[in-house]
Amino acid sequence: DAGITQSPRYKITETGRQVTLMCHQTWSHSYMFWYRQDLGHGLRLIYYSAAADITDKGEVPDGYVVSRSKTENFPLTLESATRSQTSVYFCASSPANSPISTDTQYFGPGTRLTVL
Amino acid sequence: QKEVEQDPGPLSVPEGAIVSLNCTYSNSAFQYFMWYRQYSRKGPELLMYTYSSGNKEDGRFTAQVDKSSKYISLFIRDSQPSDSATYLCAPYKAAGNKLTFGGGTRVLVKP
Repeated sequence: DAGITQSPRYKITETGRQVTLMCHQTWSHSYMFWYRQDLGHGLRLIYYSAAADITDKGEVPDGYVVSRSKTENFPLTLESATRSQTSVYFCASSPANSPISTDTQYFGPGTRLTVL
Repeated sequence: QKEVEQDPGPLSVPEGAIVSLNCTYSNSAFQYFMWYRQYSRKGPELLMYTYSSGNKEDGRFTAQVDKSSKYISLFIRDSQPSDSATYLCAPYKAAGNKLTFGGGTRVLVKP
């Protein structure tokens, strides 16, 4: 199906473990983004990518690693999960960097991550 | 102090009522003001946006921006149960491509 998908949708892990969240889009959008959403904080940008092999930090990048070897995939890795990383993670893609362009950011359904 | 503040709600209204949502921000450099709608267990989707101060209408939705007071509003007329969602305001400035989300206001429209 066309669109943007995230997997897994739900994940429970333990402190110190490595976790990778997957994001896949079928539109061939250049830009992809990772956000986390926490109660009281809204959405905060973790990392974004302008194209394959080009990534940059957002507002809250510490503790996260990203890669983008293919245009359609943008995995997010928590190298050593901490309880403070318990959150809902959203991936988004866009044909342009600016949210005011005709084609805005399209968000995936989210991954709910719990770190025990 | 957060750059963007929203009352978390929930805001409960009867079907057909006008929903009034507000948002304040502190950074005067924001130029565009976005509103996103987020249904439960879903990702946000862009509802509408305005540039600078003024009003913008799109169907049952009206967005207002008062840059002098750093105050943003979204009004939903003739509200429907399908409008029940969380509404996120997100001011944006092109310089630095900075999009900042508020915490969102949860709206419940009761039949």
